[in-house]
Amino acid sequence: AIQLTQSPSSLSASVGDRVTITCRASQGISSALAWYQQKPGKAPKLLIYDASSLESGVPSRFSGSGSGTDFTLTISSLQPEDFATYYCQQFNSYPPLTFGGGTKVEIK
Amino acid sequence: EVQLVESGGGLVQPGGSLRLSCAASGFTFSSYWMSWVRQAPGKGLEWVANIKQDGSEKYYVDSVKGRFTISRDNAKNSLYLQMNSLRAEDTAVYYCARDQSVPLGGGYFDYWGQGTLVTVSS
Repeated sequence: AIQLTQSPSSLSASVGDRVTITCRASQGISSALAWYQQKPGKAPKLLIYDASSLESGVPSRFSGSGSGTDFTLTISSLQPEDFATYYCQQFNSYPPLTFGGGTKVEIK
Repeated sequence: EVQLVESGGGLVQPGGSLRLSCAASGFTFSSYWMSWVRQAPGKGLEWVANIKQDGSEKYYVDSVKGRFTISRDNAKNSLYLQMNSLRAEDTAVYYCARDQSVPLGGGYFDYWGQGTLVTVSS
């Protein structure tokens, strides 16, 4: 199974900060990566698919990049509603589909 | 509006069984692969199983093979997860999710239900 390692596991940031989260795959997955946002008690929400495509309705401050084994999710200017946990997911090779361990973005 | 509504969760003893359901609406259910994804309390997301549009292909994570069975009824726009021989480590919120990768499946998830909690404990 392809393993995804996210870093950091948590971070503290202020409103307006630029935030970058990384996701590293244990083997190459081309651009078959998605990013999700999850708030406490809620279902995950799709943000980015195919590594860099923005899901409809998602604010443009979210962007994704990378291919192969190294990927990043960037929030260009952190907003109060962006404090949440973020997960990457690979869909290059399955079963199983796999997720990263998550990155919790907290208020500084 | 796409809606996925899970039901059937609850408290069950180790070794017991439970059947989860997911009612879909707002899209052509029979056109999509569907998945179950779970999240143990305070932990990350884990894909559990998926099923092809016509039910002819099913895939599972190793930890549930032989114990869980995914199925669907396209006439009722419903997805199911039969869980047998339940263990404490199966305790989680179970989400149904629509796989956006049509027609091949095994992709990412563009819609999720609100989840149903399964607790395995004596």
